[in-house]
Amino acid sequence: AQSVTQPDIHITVSEGASLELRCNYSYGATPYLFWYVQSPGQGLQLLLKYFSGDTLVQGIKGFEAEFKRSQSSFNLRKPSVHWSDAAEYFCAVGVDNQGGKLIFGQGTELSVKP
Amino acid sequence: DAGITQSPRHKVTETGTPVTLRCHQTENHRYMYWYRQDPGHGLRLIHYSYGVKDTDKGEVSDGYSVSRSKTEDFLLTLESATSSQTSVYFCAISARDRASYEQYFGPGTRLTVT
Repeated sequence: AQSVTQPDIHITVSEGASLELRCNYSYGATPYLFWYVQSPGQGLQLLLKYFSGDTLVQGIKGFEAEFKRSQSSFNLRKPSVHWSDAAEYFCAVGVDNQGGKLIFGQGTELSVKP
Repeated sequence: DAGITQSPRHKVTETGTPVTLRCHQTENHRYMYWYRQDPGHGLRLIHYSYGVKDTDKGEVSDGYSVSRSKTEDFLLTLESATSSQTSVYFCAISARDRASYEQYFGPGTRLTVT
């Protein structure tokens, strides 16, 4: 069965430092992969997506993610974190031919120190 | 911003009572989704709809029913609420007028069952 694992429940980084959030997936075929962000008290917003092609994808707000098939990973990165990036981040995999079904990871909460 | 509203935004109810949550969209898209969000579980799909009167189950559908009599409204009903259904409920719509993993999320409804 498809699954997504985010090993880090909570991460704290200093403002201006680099960030990497980990995501591992289990899926038999080529996955469709996503990162969503949820600001406090808000719904989720799509940060970026991977369908095929270039394994390094760029998203909004200066985020990027790299798909590594050999490691079943899709880690999210940002070179310099801003205080406004504090939020919860969810990795998700799309399930083929099932009406747009997404399987989400457990989420990683990001705190940013001044 | 996609026009998605959820009502109520907060609700406290007693065990055994019926509860209906409403999702309303102004985009006129066919695909709509109901998720629940719980700590340690991320978001899990409850039900989704691919058109008026067309619905299907997600991964955690037990204890929930849905209805879609108009394109713009998708209702989630807890026939007899239980404490395990205390959660934050999110509605989402596809970013396009077809099944899509790119989804716009509503602001959520926080439901507490006492």
